[in-house]
Amino acid sequence: EAQVTQNPRYLITVTGKKLTVTCSQNMNHEYMSWYRQDPGLGLRQIYYSMNVEVTDKGDVPEGYKVSRKEKRNFPLILESPSPNQTSLYFCASSRTGTGGNTIYFGEGSWLTVV
Amino acid sequence: AQSVTQLGSHVSVSEGALVLLRCNYSSSVPPYLFWYVQYPNQGLQLLLKYTTGATLVKGINGFEAEFKKSETSFHLTKPSAHMSDAAEYFCAVTANQAGTALIFGKGTTLSVSS
Repeated sequence: EAQVTQNPRYLITVTGKKLTVTCSQNMNHEYMSWYRQDPGLGLRQIYYSMNVEVTDKGDVPEGYKVSRKEKRNFPLILESPSPNQTSLYFCASSRTGTGGNTIYFGEGSWLTVV
Repeated sequence: AQSVTQLGSHVSVSEGALVLLRCNYSSSVPPYLFWYVQYPNQGLQLLLKYTTGATLVKGINGFEAEFKKSETSFHLTKPSAHMSDAAEYFCAVTANQAGTALIFGKGTTLSVSS
């Protein structure tokens, strides 16, 4: 079954404690991306990757890091989380880019920073 | 640059009534357009998409949308609402097949009353 798997699904953490949200896809997709969803703001892109070792900033990259060492994995790293990073995070993947191909989303990771 | 405006953050209809969710976009290049649905505590599910060709696009669950270039619109409709349609709906645009980001609207919450 085609899947984008995110972990953890729910996390409460404290300000400044580094955390990683993992994302893995089993479809051999080249494109992967992270979005955050906030009430009244819709989804905004944090980072994306067009292939292994190729990453770039989206609209709201501040406070986040990513890496793409393997094709299937695209972890999101919060080096020093702050309360304004409390949000719902989605990982997405597709074969090539965001246009004609189906984009698959993970189920989301609820992150609360206190 | 691209952008999406969803008119109305909340729409309420009665069961059996017409559903109309409005989406206008701005794009300097021919757009690819999408509608996604998010049920409570779930991820994003693709309802339908427009890439090229026929401007009336049919999707899942009885939804359809019409691409109107002259009006820069991609409104979502369903002839008869069901209680199960209650969810949040997002319109999104991207530039082309190799696009790097989906640009989302802020979302419209659809409520259906019996």
